[in-house]
Amino acid sequence: DTGVSQDPRHKITKRGQNVTFRCDPISEHNRLYWYRQTLGQGPEFLTYFQNEAQLEKSRLLSDRFSAERPKGSFSTLEIQRTEQGDSAMYLCASRQSGSSYNSPLHFGNGTRLTVT
Amino acid sequence: GDSVTQMEGPVTLSEEAFLTINCTYTATGYPSLFWYVQYPGEGLQLLLKATKADDKGSNKGFEATYRKETTSFHLEKGSVQVSDSAVYFCALSERAAGNKLTFGGGTRVLVKP
Repeated sequence: DTGVSQDPRHKITKRGQNVTFRCDPISEHNRLYWYRQTLGQGPEFLTYFQNEAQLEKSRLLSDRFSAERPKGSFSTLEIQRTEQGDSAMYLCASRQSGSSYNSPLHFGNGTRLTVT
Repeated sequence: GDSVTQMEGPVTLSEEAFLTINCTYTATGYPSLFWYVQYPGEGLQLLLKATKADDKGSNKGFEATYRKETTSFHLEKGSVQVSDSAVYFCALSERAAGNKLTFGGGTRVLVKP
């Protein structure tokens, strides 16, 4: 169990640029979640996948945001035309569904995005 | 929709003091409840959980009891250490909502020697 891995750890970009983040979940986990955390706040749900299917998207996920999990393994989160308000920590988490439904999520260390 | 409210910090304590962090929730169904901890420079880690009323979750000297009648899940530790300095998040999940976590705003705890 190598844990949930996120890349990059930090990203600084200029307003208007596109950015893409990657998440590698724990290998046997079929559910993958994306969260956003701003300074001093709790994480907010963005979207989640079961295998390659995106099952839910928060209304926080504007049309500038898109997430994929093409082969049901790693996932990418892309933000187009970044805005300063997108500056946040983007967290990825995974779990195995089909086990006890209340099994916990395992979180990665996050990607910190700064939009200048 | 679901929501979690926890006391705002920062909470500053001396070593060996008693810690309580209040957490209350609203949920449409029967959620599972969690406390996560975020140490400086690290990712979120599960601290403890409880899945049904009157369950007590415990770990590393921390405890929290699922109180359905008061919709609460307060975190307690009898004697804190400097190493307990962190941000603590209360959270819930519901099966009907895809088991995604809904978090409170977090409470920063600073323990001084």
